[in-house]
Amino acid sequence: GENVEQHPSTLSVQEGDSAVIKCTYSDSASNYFPWYKQELGKRPQLIIDIRSNVGEKKDQRIAVTLNKTAKHFSLHITETQPEDSAVYFCAASPTSGTYKYIFGTGTRLKVLA
Amino acid sequence: GAVVSQHPSWVICKSGTSVKIECRSLDFQATTMFWYRQFPKQSLMLMATSNEGSKATYEQGVEKDKFLINHASLTLSTLTVTSAHPEDSSFYICSAPPGLTRAGVYEQYFGPGTRLTVT
Repeated sequence: GENVEQHPSTLSVQEGDSAVIKCTYSDSASNYFPWYKQELGKRPQLIIDIRSNVGEKKDQRIAVTLNKTAKHFSLHITETQPEDSAVYFCAASPTSGTYKYIFGTGTRLKVLA
Repeated sequence: GAVVSQHPSWVICKSGTSVKIECRSLDFQATTMFWYRQFPKQSLMLMATSNEGSKATYEQGVEKDKFLINHASLTLSTLTVTSAHPEDSSFYICSAPPGLTRAGVYEQYFGPGTRLTVT
């Protein structure tokens, strides 16, 4: 089945710097890759997503890139702010149309003021 | 937008008892719902796929007799943790896809989670 690896597990950046989180997946049939932000004790919140027919997507300070050949995708956050501090999860949807997600292991991002 | 609720938000129970957690889609119908378990500082692990009108599909390693899932209607799925033990203490989150919200995008909407503590 699908396996999603995520790095790094923790990341500290200075406010205003950029943060990059990387994920790799194993199932070449996966075609949808969402990124979630989760604050302690709360539900995951979708922050950006990308489909397999797109290489890059941007939404203000957040961007996601996808390399289907290498089976990896990355989250880029620019001009980080303290409120960006949270745990970020990538996910892959391994089978078209089933909505099933396999999550990465998570990255704890800390933005230092 | 699509809203998913869970009840209760937290529960404490004694070892050996059973606990039922409800997941409801409030403004859309969901033929499929997913149940995840999240231990502290860990990722969301998919436990099972709940299917309205048929049996749930469990992920490898998840005991179907211990985690009973019933998808009673198009807006309600329940997870019952039977004979709970302290190692079952976790954050349980459900999610539901409201269908294709955008062309070819299979979004899911997550419930707020239920924190289960077994003493």
